[in-house]
Amino acid sequence: NAGVTQTPKFRVLKTGQSMTLLCAQDMNHEYMYWYRQDPGMGLRLIHYSVGEGTTAKGEVPDGYNVSRLKKQNFLLGLESAAPSQTSVYFCATLPHSLNTEAFFGQGTRLTVV
Amino acid sequence: QQQVKQSPQSLIVQKGGISIINCAYENTAFDYFPWYQQFPGKGPALLIAIRPDVSEKKEGRFTISFNKSAKQFSLHIMDSQPGDSATYFCAARYPYNTDKLIFGTGTRLQVFP
Repeated sequence: NAGVTQTPKFRVLKTGQSMTLLCAQDMNHEYMYWYRQDPGMGLRLIHYSVGEGTTAKGEVPDGYNVSRLKKQNFLLGLESAAPSQTSVYFCATLPHSLNTEAFFGQGTRLTVV
Repeated sequence: QQQVKQSPQSLIVQKGGISIINCAYENTAFDYFPWYQQFPGKGPALLIAIRPDVSEKKEGRFTISFNKSAKQFSLHIMDSQPGDSATYFCAARYPYNTDKLIFGTGTRLQVFP
């Protein structure tokens, strides 16, 4: 029972390259979220999904796209990476109920040079 | 209005002392206030949480104090231990079918022996 698994764990990109981060969960949770963590700024919500086939923008969506074709997977895409997207990215999941614990993946450290 | 303000940014406490981290919010729609603990290289994990109809919640050495009228809440760590050294995030949940967690900027706690 893996919980929330993020792939890859580390990546270095050149400016302008594209990549996709994968978040996979085996807990059958409805809600999934992508956050970025930067020093002094906490965790900021990029995009989220309240169920299979749905996505919505969070606080800092520009430069990112997401898809949730399957309930267990939530993909975060960077079409043209910029140095400002250097960050640690976390995926989180929530069951579809009130006042419950969010489960986080281990994070993906992305560096854009 | 969806911000959560957290202070201090860093905190150094001697072993056995009390660690206090404060958070404030504006949006009265928030309905759930968790604290997350994050160790280096790991994703955040739920530490303790409170609902706005409760003024205090205690779990072991960790206590949340909640002041609804002031829109403030705080985490108290009694008898702080070196193993408590981590980054702590307060959060607030925005309901209405999104269950979005809005995080504070984090507090890096260091407990010295």
